[in-house]
Amino acid sequence: AQSVTQLDSHVSVSEGTPVLLRCNYSSSYSPSLFWYVQHPNKGLQLLLKYTSAATLVKGINGFEAEFKKSETSFHLTKPSAHMSDAAEYFCVIPSEDSNYQLIWGAGTKLIIKP
Amino acid sequence: DGGITQSPKYLFRKEGQNVTLSCEQNLNHDAMYWYRQDPGQGLRLIYYSQIVNDFQKGDIAEGYSVSREKKESFPLTVTSAQKNPTAFYLCASSPNWAPGTQYFGPGTRLLVL
Repeated sequence: AQSVTQLDSHVSVSEGTPVLLRCNYSSSYSPSLFWYVQHPNKGLQLLLKYTSAATLVKGINGFEAEFKKSETSFHLTKPSAHMSDAAEYFCVIPSEDSNYQLIWGAGTKLIIKP
Repeated sequence: DGGITQSPKYLFRKEGQNVTLSCEQNLNHDAMYWYRQDPGQGLRLIYYSQIVNDFQKGDIAEGYSVSREKKESFPLTVTSAQKNPTAFYLCASSPNWAPGTQYFGPGTRLLVL
Protein backbone atom coordinates (compact mmCIF):
# COMPACT_ATOMS: atom_id res chain seq x y z
CA ALA A 1 0.00 0.00 0.00
CA GLN A 2 1.11 3.52 -0.67
CA SER A 3 2.10 5.78 2.18
CA VAL A 4 3.88 9.02 3.02
CA THR A 5 5.88 9.33 6.22
CA GLN A 6 7.06 12.64 7.53
CA LEU A 7 9.68 11.67 10.04
CA ASP A 8 9.34 14.65 12.38
CA SER A 9 6.09 16.09 13.69
CA HIS A 10 7.92 19.25 14.84
CA VAL A 11 11.20 20.83 13.77
CA SER A 12 12.65 23.81 15.60
CA VAL A 13 15.49 25.91 14.14
CA SER A 14 16.96 29.31 14.79
CA GLU A 15 16.44 32.10 12.31
CA GLY A 16 19.25 32.12 9.76
CA THR A 17 20.12 28.43 10.16
CA PRO A 18 19.37 25.63 7.66
CA VAL A 19 16.05 23.81 7.53
CA LEU A 20 15.59 20.08 6.83
CA LEU A 21 12.13 18.51 6.74
CA ARG A 22 12.20 14.79 6.01
CA CYS A 23 9.77 12.79 3.89
CA ASN A 24 9.82 9.15 2.85
CA TYR A 25 7.26 7.51 0.61
CA SER A 26 6.18 4.03 -0.32
CA SER A 27 4.84 3.33 -3.78
CA SER A 28 5.04 0.59 -6.40
CA TYR A 29 6.26 3.13 -8.95
CA SER A 30 8.10 6.44 -8.97
CA PRO A 31 5.33 8.93 -8.43
CA SER A 32 5.11 12.66 -8.72
CA LEU A 33 5.88 14.27 -5.37
CA PHE A 34 4.70 17.50 -3.84
CA TRP A 35 5.34 19.72 -0.84
CA TYR A 36 2.55 21.99 0.36
CA VAL A 37 2.76 24.66 3.08
CA GLN A 38 0.02 25.83 5.45
CA HIS A 39 0.42 29.00 7.48
CA PRO A 40 -1.60 29.15 10.73
CA ASN A 41 -5.36 28.96 10.17
CA LYS A 42 -4.96 29.37 6.44
CA GLY A 43 -5.44 27.25 3.34
CA LEU A 44 -2.58 25.41 1.71
CA GLN A 45 -0.17 26.52 -1.00
CA LEU A 46 1.94 24.43 -3.32
CA LEU A 47 5.61 24.89 -2.44
CA LEU A 48 7.18 22.70 -5.12
CA LYS A 49 6.63 19.54 -7.15
CA TYR A 50 8.73 16.77 -8.71
CA THR A 51 7.45 15.26 -11.95
CA SER A 52 10.34 13.04 -13.15
CA ALA A 53 12.47 15.79 -14.65
CA ALA A 54 15.44 17.10 -12.62
CA THR A 55 15.82 15.36 -9.27
CA LEU A 56 16.60 18.64 -7.50
CA VAL A 57 13.50 20.80 -7.52
CA LYS A 58 13.39 24.47 -6.61
CA GLY A 59 10.27 25.97 -5.14
CA ILE A 60 8.99 29.24 -3.79
CA ASN A 61 10.51 31.20 -0.90
CA GLY A 62 13.98 29.64 -1.33
CA PHE A 63 12.93 26.05 -0.60
CA GLU A 64 14.17 23.08 -2.58
CA ALA A 65 13.77 19.31 -2.43
CA GLU A 66 15.77 16.39 -3.79
CA PHE A 67 14.17 13.21 -5.10
CA LYS A 68 16.23 10.13 -4.20
CA LYS A 69 14.69 7.01 -5.69
CA SER A 70 17.10 4.61 -3.98
CA GLU A 71 16.11 6.02 -0.59
CA THR A 72 12.45 6.68 -1.53
CA SER A 73 12.90 10.12 -0.04
CA PHE A 74 11.95 13.68 -0.94
CA HIS A 75 13.40 15.86 1.82
CA LEU A 76 12.70 19.61 1.87
CA THR A 77 15.53 22.03 2.61
CA LYS A 78 16.26 25.72 2.87
CA PRO A 79 19.73 27.20 3.51
CA SER A 80 18.61 29.95 5.87
CA ALA A 81 15.36 30.02 7.84
CA HIS A 82 13.26 33.16 8.10
CA MET A 83 10.60 33.93 10.70
CA SER A 84 7.96 33.89 7.94
CA ASP A 85 8.76 30.21 7.26
CA ALA A 86 6.98 29.19 10.46
CA ALA A 87 4.17 26.97 9.18
CA GLU A 88 3.13 23.37 8.72
CA TYR A 89 4.56 21.49 5.76
CA PHE A 90 2.99 18.49 4.06
CA CYS A 91 4.60 15.93 1.76
CA VAL A 92 2.16 14.46 -0.79
CA ILE A 93 1.99 11.78 -3.50
CA PRO A 94 -0.83 10.91 -5.92
CA SER A 95 -2.69 7.67 -5.33
CA GLU A 96 -2.03 4.77 -7.69
CA ASP A 97 -5.82 4.46 -8.05
CA SER A 98 -6.36 8.01 -9.28
CA ASN A 99 -4.20 11.08 -9.78
CA TYR A 100 -7.09 13.07 -8.33
CA GLN A 101 -6.68 11.37 -4.96
CA LEU A 102 -3.64 12.59 -3.06
CA ILE A 103 -1.99 10.80 -0.16
CA TRP A 104 -0.91 13.29 2.50
CA GLY A 105 1.76 12.98 5.12
CA ALA A 106 0.77 13.91 8.68
CA GLY A 107 2.66 17.20 8.43
CA THR A 108 5.73 18.76 10.05
CA LYS A 109 5.34 21.91 12.06
CA LEU A 110 8.33 24.20 11.53
CA ILE A 111 9.14 26.48 14.46
CA ILE A 112 11.56 29.36 13.97
CA LYS A 113 13.38 30.69 17.04
CA PRO A 114 14.49 34.33 16.95
CA ASP B 1 -8.04 38.25 -8.70
CA GLY B 2 -8.43 34.55 -9.38
CA GLY B 3 -8.89 32.24 -6.46
CA ILE B 4 -11.10 30.12 -4.28
CA THR B 5 -13.50 31.48 -1.72
CA GLN B 6 -15.07 29.54 1.12
CA SER B 7 -17.84 30.70 3.39
CA PRO B 8 -18.51 31.03 6.17
CA LYS B 9 -15.18 31.21 7.99
CA TYR B 10 -16.79 29.72 11.12
CA LEU B 11 -19.93 27.60 11.27
CA PHE B 12 -21.80 26.22 14.24
CA ARG B 13 -23.94 23.13 14.02
CA LYS B 14 -26.59 21.95 16.44
CA GLU B 15 -27.37 18.30 17.04
CA GLY B 16 -29.41 16.77 14.23
CA GLN B 17 -28.85 19.70 11.89
CA ASN B 18 -27.53 19.65 8.34
CA VAL B 19 -25.19 22.49 7.39
CA THR B 20 -23.80 23.51 4.02
CA LEU B 21 -20.32 24.88 3.35
CA SER B 22 -19.84 27.02 0.28
CA CYS B 23 -16.92 26.82 -2.15
CA GLU B 24 -16.56 28.96 -5.27
CA GLN B 25 -13.65 29.22 -7.72
CA ASN B 26 -12.96 31.55 -10.62
CA LEU B 27 -9.83 29.79 -11.85
CA ASN B 28 -11.72 27.97 -14.61
CA HIS B 29 -10.61 24.63 -13.15
CA ASP B 30 -12.53 21.50 -14.01
CA ALA B 31 -11.69 19.55 -10.85
CA MET B 32 -12.73 20.45 -7.31
CA TYR B 33 -12.15 18.77 -3.96
CA TRP B 34 -13.27 18.78 -0.34
CA TYR B 35 -10.89 17.82 2.46
CA ARG B 36 -11.22 17.49 6.18
CA GLN B 37 -8.30 18.43 8.44
CA ASP B 38 -8.02 17.31 12.05
CA PRO B 39 -5.17 18.31 14.42
CA GLY B 40 -2.02 16.25 13.96
CA GLN B 41 -3.27 14.58 10.80
CA GLY B 42 -2.81 15.14 7.13
CA LEU B 43 -5.72 16.07 4.92
CA ARG B 44 -8.37 13.45 4.22
CA LEU B 45 -10.39 13.54 1.02
CA ILE B 46 -14.16 13.67 1.42
CA TYR B 47 -15.36 14.06 -2.18
CA TYR B 48 -13.96 15.20 -5.49
CA SER B 49 -15.41 16.18 -8.83
CA GLN B 50 -13.58 16.00 -12.14
CA ILE B 51 -16.34 17.64 -14.13
CA VAL B 52 -19.74 19.28 -13.76
CA ASN B 53 -22.57 16.91 -12.75
CA ASP B 54 -20.13 14.19 -11.68
CA PHE B 55 -18.39 13.49 -8.37
CA GLN B 56 -16.71 10.61 -6.57
CA LYS B 57 -16.39 9.59 -2.94
CA GLY B 58 -13.08 10.02 -1.24
CA ASP B 59 -11.79 8.21 1.83
CA ILE B 60 -14.29 9.59 4.35
CA ALA B 61 -17.52 10.36 2.44
CA GLU B 62 -19.92 8.91 5.03
CA GLY B 63 -22.09 11.63 6.56
CA TYR B 64 -21.34 14.14 3.80
CA SER B 65 -22.95 15.03 0.48
CA VAL B 66 -21.98 17.28 -2.43
CA SER B 67 -23.34 18.64 -5.68
CA ARG B 68 -21.65 20.04 -8.78
CA GLU B 69 -24.25 21.84 -10.84
CA LYS B 70 -21.88 24.60 -11.99
CA LYS B 71 -18.21 24.55 -12.84
CA GLU B 72 -17.51 27.33 -10.35
CA SER B 73 -19.30 25.87 -7.35
CA PHE B 74 -18.92 22.72 -5.21
CA PRO B 75 -20.94 22.98 -1.97
CA LEU B 76 -20.50 20.43 0.81
CA THR B 77 -23.32 19.44 3.14
CA VAL B 78 -22.44 17.98 6.51
CA THR B 79 -25.44 15.86 7.45
CA SER B 80 -26.68 14.81 10.87
CA ALA B 81 -25.28 11.35 10.07
CA GLN B 82 -21.76 12.71 10.53
CA LYS B 83 -21.27 12.09 14.25
CA ASN B 84 -17.98 13.90 14.67
CA PRO B 85 -18.11 16.91 12.35
CA THR B 86 -15.87 19.28 14.31
CA ALA B 87 -12.93 19.95 11.98
CA PHE B 88 -11.36 22.40 9.54
CA TYR B 89 -12.78 21.94 6.03
CA LEU B 90 -10.75 22.87 3.00
CA CYS B 91 -11.92 23.21 -0.59
CA ALA B 92 -9.50 23.01 -3.50
CA SER B 93 -9.50 23.02 -7.28
CA SER B 94 -7.10 21.94 -10.00
CA PRO B 95 -6.85 21.77 -13.75
CA ASN B 96 -7.56 18.25 -15.05
CA TRP B 97 -4.13 18.12 -16.74
CA ALA B 98 -2.38 18.60 -13.34
CA PRO B 99 -4.61 17.20 -10.57
CA GLY B 100 -1.78 17.18 -8.06
CA THR B 101 -1.37 20.94 -8.36
CA GLN B 102 -4.23 22.04 -6.19
CA TYR B 103 -5.27 25.55 -5.19
CA PHE B 104 -6.89 25.87 -1.80
CA GLY B 105 -9.44 28.14 -0.23
CA PRO B 106 -8.95 29.67 3.24
CA GLY B 107 -11.08 26.99 4.94
CA THR B 108 -14.19 26.78 7.11
CA ARG B 109 -14.01 25.76 10.76
CA LEU B 110 -17.07 23.77 11.81
CA LEU B 111 -17.93 23.54 15.48
CA VAL B 112 -20.69 21.58 17.15
CA LEU B 113 -22.83 23.29 19.81
